[in-house]
Amino acid sequence: AQTVTQSQPEMSVQEAETVTLSCTYDTSENNYYLFWYKQPPSRQMILVIRQEAYKQQNATENRFSVNFQKAAKSFSLKISDSQLGDTAMYFCAPYYSQGGSEKLVFGKGTKLTVNP
Amino acid sequence: GAVVSQHPSWVICKSGTSVKIECRSLDFQATTMFWYRQFPKQSLMLMATSNEGSKATYEQGVEKDKFLINHASLTLSTLTVTSAHPEDSSFYICSGGDRGSGELFFGEGSRLTVL
Repeated sequence: AQTVTQSQPEMSVQEAETVTLSCTYDTSENNYYLFWYKQPPSRQMILVIRQEAYKQQNATENRFSVNFQKAAKSFSLKISDSQLGDTAMYFCAPYYSQGGSEKLVFGKGTKLTVNP
Repeated sequence: GAVVSQHPSWVICKSGTSVKIECRSLDFQATTMFWYRQFPKQSLMLMATSNEGSKATYEQGVEKDKFLINHASLTLSTLTVTSAHPEDSSFYICSGGDRGSGELFFGEGSRLTVL
């Protein structure tokens, strides 16, 4: 079974500081995508950042960056200069094929609170 | 960016009735559609994966006869909750994408309440 582990159920950070959310996953595939999604109280899923597994370079998107360690199957998200609007649930999700079927499986999430 | 329109956004029905939730990809062709269920304060649980024109692949423990998924075109996928019961009350979310490009887009979600 493919698993996604987010070991931090809740985290908090002061505004303008940096926080890192961890994620590990398990897949036997070699080519896949990795996503971090944000879910605010509205429950709309918002893409934060995407990483293609065949690319060694870590993805960055403004204040958001990842530390992708393929061999270790680790995909952490770093949020720099945290803002109050970053408060939300954050989910890590690998997107891969398994047995001819595609899957996008989510971790249990990390509830991030940015304090003023 | 691309949009997936999901409706109804909320629905209340009586126990024993069937409810259909639609997801439409408005400006792209969704070769794959994922359907999720989300309980309060929990993560998204993958229910099934559907590909246009073929039968859906259900996750273990998901009743395929209860949660009917149809993906007849590249722009429309539906989830029908048959003979709904109060335990089916939940938040259902769809996500459409293209494995080739790795692009995925989420619907706004549908809150189902079964009385």
